[in-house]
Amino acid sequence: AQSVTQLDSQVPVFEEAPVELRCNYSSSVSVYLFWYVQYPNQGLQLLLKYLSGSTLVKSINGFEAEFNKSQTSFHLRKPSVHISDTAEYFCAVSEETGGFKTIFGAGTRLFVKA
Amino acid sequence: DVKVTQSSRYLVKRTGEKVFLECVQDMDHENMFWYRQDPGLGLRLIYFSYDVKMKEKGDIPEGYSVSREKKERFSLILESASTNQTSMYLCASSRTLYEQYFGPGTRLTVT
Repeated sequence: AQSVTQLDSQVPVFEEAPVELRCNYSSSVSVYLFWYVQYPNQGLQLLLKYLSGSTLVKSINGFEAEFNKSQTSFHLRKPSVHISDTAEYFCAVSEETGGFKTIFGAGTRLFVKA
Repeated sequence: DVKVTQSSRYLVKRTGEKVFLECVQDMDHENMFWYRQDPGLGLRLIYFSYDVKMKEKGDIPEGYSVSREKKERFSLILESASTNQTSMYLCASSRTLYEQYFGPGTRLTVT
């Protein structure tokens, strides 16, 4: 059965510093991987996704994530964060054979300080 | 612009009450989902639906039921609300496996 582990529940970081939010998953079949972001008092929205092809995927606002099959990881990175990146970030996985069911991690709260 | 709306942002109900949470999407999506979100637990799937009048149990269906009479509307029902159902409830819809669109959430408090 698939599962998703986000290793950090909270990540405080200063503005303009780099950040990495870690995500590991377990699955015995091929997977699709996602990062969703939830800003305060809002629903989740898709930040980026890995379906196939290049293992490095990027969002329009400077985040990137790399699919590492051997380490079963999909860590999210940004070289320089802004105050506006303060939000909760959820890693999620869907199995190719799992229908439309997506499993979400527990979330990582990113807090960017001035 | 895609949109998923939920009937209430905040709701306070008493123990034992029957509670209806409504979700409407305007994207003609076949798939709709209800999750609950709790601190430290992330999102947990309650029920989902592939089509009108079809429903499937998720990971935590106990104490909940759903209804999908029209393609655009998916309702979550708490037959007899209990305090352990105090949570944030999120509705989502999707056409494919690749992306779910979420509503703003309903924060339900059961006293």
